Amino acid sequence: AQSVTQLGSHVSVSEGALVLLRCNYSSSVPPYLFWYVQYPNQGLQLLLKYTSAATLVKGINGFEAEFKKSETSFHLTKPSAHMSDAAEYFCAVSSRGNNRLAFGKGNQVVVIP
Amino acid sequence: DAGVTQSPTHLIKTRGQQVTLRCSPKSGHDTVSWYQQALGQGPQFIFQYYEEEERQRGNFPDRFSGHQFPNYSSELNVNALLLGDSALYLCASSASTSGGADTQYFGPGTRLTVL
Repeated sequence: AQSVTQLGSHVSVSEGALVLLRCNYSSSVPPYLFWYVQYPNQGLQLLLKYTSAATLVKGINGFEAEFKKSETSFHLTKPSAHMSDAAEYFCAVSSRGNNRLAFGKGNQVVVIP
Repeated sequence: DAGVTQSPTHLIKTRGQQVTLRCSPKSGHDTVSWYQQALGQGPQFIFQYYEEEERQRGNFPDRFSGHQFPNYSSELNVNALLLGDSALYLCASSASTSGGADTQYFGPGTRLTVL
């Protein structure tokens, strides 16, 4: 079974500082990995996805993530936090031939002015 | 493009009642998945419909059932509601092209409260 682990439910970051959200996956087959963002009272919006092409994936709003097979990780980063980045972020995994997503518990990001 | 739409936005039911939630997929999408998101948790996969058939199912009881119509829209039905069914129910649509790598587009969700 596939799963992802996101540590630290709440993450506080100063405006202009680096945003780093950690995601580790468990999968018996090569995974597809996703980061989604959820703003209050809204559905999920895709930030970026890894599908076995380039290991460094660039997404929307200045976010990027790097797939590291040796560390079974897919951490999300943004060089400089903006107030509009305050939201909940979810890492998710699926696999070839099976596009059901397994989500982590999420990280609530708070941006401090 | 209207994106994925869901109705109703909010719903309040009492224990033991039945509920139907509706979803219209993004234009061009033929696959609909349903997820349950309890407060403070990540979404949990309920089931997925493709070509009007349930293609995959998560670890949810038979009280949860669904349907997909010829126009690809979908319904989620929950019978004998329990307090624990209170959650945000998310519908996601995708195009069945690259099996697993398909991007799923989510609707805004239906907030179900069971009293």
